[in-house]
Amino acid sequence: SQQGEEDPQALSIQEGENATMNCSYKTSINNLQWYRQNSGRGLVHLILIRSNEREKHSGRLRVTLDTSKKSSSLLITASRAADTASYFCATDGGTGNQFYFGTGTSLTVIP
Amino acid sequence: DAGVTQSPTHLIKTRGQQVTLRCSPKSGHDTVSWYQQALGQGPQFIFQYYEEEERQRGNFPDRFSGHQFPNYSSELNVNALLLGDSALYLCASSLLQLSTNYGYTFGSGTRLTVV
Repeated sequence: SQQGEEDPQALSIQEGENATMNCSYKTSINNLQWYRQNSGRGLVHLILIRSNEREKHSGRLRVTLDTSKKSSSLLITASRAADTASYFCATDGGTGNQFYFGTGTSLTVIP
Repeated sequence: DAGVTQSPTHLIKTRGQQVTLRCSPKSGHDTVSWYQQALGQGPQFIFQYYEEEERQRGNFPDRFSGHQFPNYSSELNVNALLLGDSALYLCASSLLQLSTNYGYTFGSGTRLTVV
């Protein structure tokens, strides 16, 4: 399978805490992306990290990539109730322009 | 600048019927990808269209077909609907040569219920 697998499946934290979710994949990649989805609506692109990058930041988001372990992590710092959503990693399976999604991590931030 | 527009937003069909879902990509994008997302699951890749041709296809039966028009808009057709086709269908657009850097822009999806 070219899909990523997120871990944990579900995560519940208090507002202000940090949230970390992980993604493992099986094939080589050109890039890996993280998306957020609120309540079964469309996915929102959060961040893209290329295979030659190890870490990337965007606001309160920090993504790391370890291609030797075929894994990535998404850290959300100082979480807010509005961060409550499902988070998916997507890998391109080396194609560069078709993306395959995992089953996601459901994050609940308690006010 | 309009994002990705999908229609209709909700649809109820009877088993055995046929359905057509529509997608208008983000302005400037030339590539449309379709995904099926069952409840509680991640999006599953159906196929991708570029220059009016199907470039790549996921593990979906021939009942699923598509089309891309010269204005880059796209349709997803599903024939002989099964109860298991009930899902959120997502359209994503991108600029083929730049998707390596920028990823996809998704529409809000069409919720299809087959009864």
